[in-house]
Amino acid sequence: GQNIDQPTEMTATEGAIVQINCTYQTSGFNGLFWYQQHAGEAPTFLSYNVLDGLEEKGRFSSFLSRSKGYSYLLLKELQMKDSASYLCAPGGSLSDSNYQLIWGAGTKLIIKP
Amino acid sequence: DAGITQSPRYKITETGRQVTLMCHQTWSHSYMFWYRQDLGHGLRLIYYSAAADITDKGEVPDGYVVSRSKTENFPLTLESATRSQTSVYFCASSESGRGQAGSYEQYFGPGTRLTVT
Repeated sequence: GQNIDQPTEMTATEGAIVQINCTYQTSGFNGLFWYQQHAGEAPTFLSYNVLDGLEEKGRFSSFLSRSKGYSYLLLKELQMKDSASYLCAPGGSLSDSNYQLIWGAGTKLIIKP
Repeated sequence: DAGITQSPRYKITETGRQVTLMCHQTWSHSYMFWYRQDLGHGLRLIYYSAAADITDKGEVPDGYVVSRSKTENFPLTLESATRSQTSVYFCASSESGRGQAGSYEQYFGPGTRLTVT
């Protein structure tokens, strides 16, 4: 299966920390991406994990456990501009030469002052 | 300007009409993708292309046609538009399709908001 589960919506306070979880049941994938999408705009790349563990990138960190089918995105020192949807996307092989990302429906993050 | 562009940005068309959405990228990326995004759904892949003259179906190809005669262009045609095709359409490109770290993240165009009446 290719089910990807993320919470539909989360609310957090400016300056705080929030963790957005993603669980999936897809097999044969090569990595997992997180993208950010502001309302009315295109998704933009945030992070990529190809190995298990934590990848840190400024205020954002992403964790992956392939054996558990689990990832999370950690956002620190939240700012109002972080209000957006966050899309989890495991990647899988279509064949030896092709590759696609499987997209979750996204988590809408609302930041309050 | 460098990057990936889509046109038109907004389109209203009638049921049964043919409409073509354009996508152009200046990076010479091998891979290009067409997605649709609807409320409550993740991005759903319509068609993708690994190189010029190579295209393949994604998850939801019915009612759509693509072509890729040049690396930089990947138009999507709705042959006879239906109301169920009302959606936001995103084109994306990536350098590689082999899952190589750092080379296959997808870059998205700004999207086309299509309404079929």
